[in-house]
Amino acid sequence: EVQLVESGGGFVQPGGSLRLSCTASGFPLSDYYMSWVRLTPGKRLEWVANIKQDGSRRYYVGSAKDRFTIARDDARNVLTLQMNGLRLDDTGLYYCARDHGTDTWMGYDRWGQGTQVTVS
Amino acid sequence: DIVVTQSPDSLAVSLGERATITCRSSRTILSDSNNKNFLAWYQYKPGQPPKLLIYWASTRASGVPDRFSGSGSGTDFSLTISSLQAEDVAFYFCQQYYNSPITFGGGTKVQV
Repeated sequence: EVQLVESGGGFVQPGGSLRLSCTASGFPLSDYYMSWVRLTPGKRLEWVANIKQDGSRRYYVGSAKDRFTIARDDARNVLTLQMNGLRLDDTGLYYCARDHGTDTWMGYDRWGQGTQVTVS
Repeated sequence: DIVVTQSPDSLAVSLGERATITCRSSRTILSDSNNKNFLAWYQYKPGQPPKLLIYWASTRASGVPDRFSGSGSGTDFSLTISSLQAEDVAFYFCQQYYNSPITFGGGTKVQV
C-alpha cells in the first residue's frame, strides 16, 4: 500500500528551527518528484518546495528561500524539510505529497496526513 | 509568480443540483510543448489530506466519479459537479503547476 507519513512538527518560537520528515512506503521515493505543501490556519493551501527524482533540482516558494531546505534520502525512502528562521506565518499543517508525473509535473496523487507546525 | 484566482469563495447548492467553480490564472498555463494546461483540482475535507480530482485541466484522476469534470484552457478554467451529493461538501482548490512557484487558488467552500 502506498503511504506517506510525516513527522517532526511541533511548537517553536519565532526564529527557531524544525526538521520535518516524510517516510514513504509502498513505492520508491526515487521515482517521483516530491513536494511539501502547507495548509494555513485560514484554510489556504500553499506550496512550499519540491525536489526532483535525482535531487538535482529543488524549487522553493519565495518566502522559504534561504530558510528552508528540502532533501531526500532514497536509501531510507525519506523526504525531509529543514526549516530555519521560522516565522509566525510559517504556521500550518505540513503535508508531503507525491507528484504522479514522471517527466513533468502533473499534480499530487498521494498525500500524507500532515504534521502540525505552530510558530508562536 | 502566476496568481491563481478562484471564485466564488463559497457556494451553496441543493443536493442533485450543479455546482460550478471557476479558476483564472494571471497568465497562460497552456504549454506549447505538449498542448496541455498545467492545472489540477483538489477536494479537501477537514481532517483528511487533499484529494486529486482533475489534472491537465480536464483529466479525471483514478477513482474520481464522473460527476466531476474540468474544462477550460489558457487562463480560464472551471470545475463542475454535475449533481451534488452529500459527500461532495468540501473545499475545492485549483493549482497551477506550469512553473515554480506552484500556486493554488484561494479555495471554494461548497455546502448544501
